[in-house]
Amino acid sequence: DAGVIQSPRHEVTEMGQEVTLRCKPISGHDYLFWYRQTMMRGLELLIYFNNNVPIDDSGMPEDRFSAKMPNASFSTLKIQPSEPRDSAVYFCASSFKPGDNYGYTFGSGTRLTVV
Amino acid sequence: AQSVTQLDSHVSVSEGTPVLLRCNYSSSYSPSLFWYVQHPNKGLQLLLKYTSAATLVKGINGFEAEFKKSETSFHLTKPSAHMSDAAEYFCVVSYNKLIFGAGTRLAVHP
Repeated sequence: DAGVIQSPRHEVTEMGQEVTLRCKPISGHDYLFWYRQTMMRGLELLIYFNNNVPIDDSGMPEDRFSAKMPNASFSTLKIQPSEPRDSAVYFCASSFKPGDNYGYTFGSGTRLTVV
Repeated sequence: AQSVTQLDSHVSVSEGTPVLLRCNYSSSYSPSLFWYVQHPNKGLQLLLKYTSAATLVKGINGFEAEFKKSETSFHLTKPSAHMSDAAEYFCVVSYNKLIFGAGTRLAVHP
């Protein structure tokens, strides 16, 4: 298995532009998670899906952020419009089920820089 | 509520000496606990996990952790540090979602 695949690896964009981050989870995993990592706030859970349905989006910072999972093999995280404070590394992770006996498999992350 | 506290933000050891990274957790339930490692500019890799079986858990690269309910601790140890162990380590508690500690940056000196 190729693991969790994220694209792009790096993204540099200008303030006000729309940014779309992509994630392909491991086949068969029912849960998908989006995390954001910054020096100031560490790793924060933004949103997670179960069977393509958003379960908890309480970590999404504001309305500029949106996430979708149109099918079991693809998810997007969109920021519109982007701001410099959105600069961070965004990780996608997938799992058979949260907690219990399973850890999560993380992608390599997308490093977003908004200038 | 579930939470983890990593007691040291930075730990520095010499190569060949023992490593101890400390973690305390708070959980209303019998927790699932994990340690993840993140090497510079890399993603997160699972080191080991505790899931209410044996209290001493062995992970990859010679790391192990002991679950102590009475102390609500899950400290990570390794008998002999290697230069390649230099990274950031996260203690994680899980309840429907992973909750990360702030991380401990481990430096290993020759």
